[in-house]
Amino acid sequence: AQTVTQSQPEMSVQEAETVTLSCTYDTSENNYYLFWYKQPPSRQMILVIRQEAYKQQNATENRFSVNFQKAAKSFSLKISDSQLGDTAMYFCAFMKQTSNTGKLIFGQGTTLQVKP
Amino acid sequence: DTGVSQDPRHKITKRGQNVTFRCDPISEHNRLYWYRQTLGQGPEFLTYFQNEAQLEKSRLLSDRFSAERPKGSFSTLEIQRTEQGDSAMYLCASSPRQGATGELFFGEGSRLTVL
Repeated sequence: AQTVTQSQPEMSVQEAETVTLSCTYDTSENNYYLFWYKQPPSRQMILVIRQEAYKQQNATENRFSVNFQKAAKSFSLKISDSQLGDTAMYFCAFMKQTSNTGKLIFGQGTTLQVKP
Repeated sequence: DTGVSQDPRHKITKRGQNVTFRCDPISEHNRLYWYRQTLGQGPEFLTYFQNEAQLEKSRLLSDRFSAERPKGSFSTLEIQRTEQGDSAMYLCASSPRQGATGELFFGEGSRLTVL
């Protein structure tokens, strides 16, 4: 079975600074996808960034980038130039590439507070 | 807004009562998911539909829980004889037909409080 662990329940960062959220996972699969989802207060969860395990290049989406270390089974999210709108709960998630259902396994989440 | 909608947003009920939640996915999406999220935790998978067929159910989905998607459009999640441990946010998500990319489109959730 796959597990996803986020060891930082809460983090805070000053506006315009950079913050890194950590995620580790456990799997015996070789081909899979990893994701970071964002859940703002009282709003729906949205996809932030996606990484295919077979790609060595780290994914980047504007101010969001990941550090994917496959051997270490580590997948951290870096948010640059933090904005107040980045305040949210962030979830790391895993999906087997062979999944026919698209089912995601989520970590426990990290609550990020961006301070003005 | 043509996103995933869920109803009701909040439900308070007494232990032992039945509750039903409805989810309307994005219209062109044929995959529909139910997740449960307890306070301070990540979402846990409950069940998955492809069109009207329920193709996977989690062990979390006890026999008090039933989900349907009768015409392959909206879905309902019913909880019978609610228990305090059922208190949680119930999230619905949908995704399009073409492949399992992992991008799920979530609704805002239905929060259940069992007294």
